[in-house]
Amino acid sequence: DVKVTQSSRYLVKRTGEKVFLECVQDMDHENMFWYRQDPGLGLRLIYFSYDVKMKEKGDIPEGYSVSREKKERFSLILESASTNQTSMYLCASSQTQGAGETQYFGPGTRLLVL
Amino acid sequence: AQTVTQSQPEMSVQEAETVTLSCTYDTSESDYYLFWYKQPPSRQMILVIRQEAYKQQNATENRFSVNFQKAAKSFSLKISDSQLGDAAMYFCAYNCDPFAGGYQKVTFGTGTKLQVIP
Repeated sequence: DVKVTQSSRYLVKRTGEKVFLECVQDMDHENMFWYRQDPGLGLRLIYFSYDVKMKEKGDIPEGYSVSREKKERFSLILESASTNQTSMYLCASSQTQGAGETQYFGPGTRLLVL
Repeated sequence: AQTVTQSQPEMSVQEAETVTLSCTYDTSESDYYLFWYKQPPSRQMILVIRQEAYKQQNATENRFSVNFQKAAKSFSLKISDSQLGDAAMYFCAYNCDPFAGGYQKVTFGTGTKLQVIP
């Protein structure tokens, strides 16, 4: 079974802090994704990566950056956390670029920025 | 741009009954994929069912089936014999093969929260 893990289930940070969210997948998937989930807005794509050191902006990249130094690990970075970044963050991976590919999700990190 | 609309923020169903969750989408593509994902409370989101647009036959997975109406751009999920474990947030999603040089990007709806009443 594919396993996608996220470094924390819950995080509390202060405004202005630098925040790192880490995601690891164990199935050698090419693609990895970071989504933000907010009530009434569904899932919105922040960034995705299709290969090591490669990244593409999603729909809402402002205020975020990403890093993929190893194939299995994809990090989301909030350079200076703000209260409007309080949200649930979901990581996902998929094997290839095919449109019919299943996305495998991590358990999510619920971030509260005070 | 593709959009996915789930007009029912919440629904409820009696245990053992059948419920249908609605989803509509907008696209100018002729070939694409549609998905239903399930997110149980405090658990990971998983794929429930997938439909490829050029296949006319509706997909089924055990108690889960879809009603895919391509002309109407409608993709509803039917859950038969509902069980307590079906209680979850359900997301409808769309994806299509990218143009040359592009990358696939799944578009999700806003979700429908399903409550199962014992």
